[in-house]
Amino acid sequence: EVQLVESGGGLVQPGGSLRLSCAASGFTFSNFWMHWVRQAPGKGLVWVSGLNGDGSSTLYADSVKGRFSISRDNAKNTVFLQMNSLRGEDTALYYCVTGGNAFSIWGQGTMVSVSS
Amino acid sequence: QAGLTQPPSVSKGLRQTATLTCTGNNNNVGDQGAAWLQQYQGHPPILLSDRSNNRPSGISERLSASRSGNTASLTITGLQPEDEADYYCSAWDRSLNAWVFGGGTKLTVL
Repeated sequence: EVQLVESGGGLVQPGGSLRLSCAASGFTFSNFWMHWVRQAPGKGLVWVSGLNGDGSSTLYADSVKGRFSISRDNAKNTVFLQMNSLRGEDTALYYCVTGGNAFSIWGQGTMVSVSS
Repeated sequence: QAGLTQPPSVSKGLRQTATLTCTGNNNNVGDQGAAWLQQYQGHPPILLSDRSNNRPSGISERLSASRSGNTASLTITGLQPEDEADYYCSAWDRSLNAWVFGGGTKLTVL
């Protein structure tokens, strides 16, 4: 069964850091781009970052450039999102996502709350 | 980053047909098309149609996607209560070098 399981969310103060993880199973992990998409409470979907199969190409939304860093460990079928200098507007449910020409496989998400 | 434009809400009657739209530009929808996702409250999105307008297995044949220029459309025929959900479009934007989403359309089945 194809599955993505996120972890690492929580409550953090503004300016703090968190590292999200996403464990993948059921498909050839190293063949696929992996992405993070977030959704603030009651709001729409926003793409955050993406990383190609061998980790050589990274993409970021303007809103997180310079603060977030995406990486992967293909030996462990895991993708990470290091989030630094967190702001209130980063508060959201963070989904790990993959797919071919579309976002076809989604995890259940991990909640990140940034508040003092 | 600029996103795609979707109407915030659409309401249609039971067994009617709803057409949801997603408007972008030559760098996103007009370039490689848009995918469609459905989301129920409290659940992750489900892919309904990829950027080539193909439905994944298990998605109802009542749903069909198409594109005309810079506007993508999702048509749902024979509306059922279970079609009431939020619908999002997404596309790759070659000028932004980023993925973009529409703001979502809340479909209400009366």
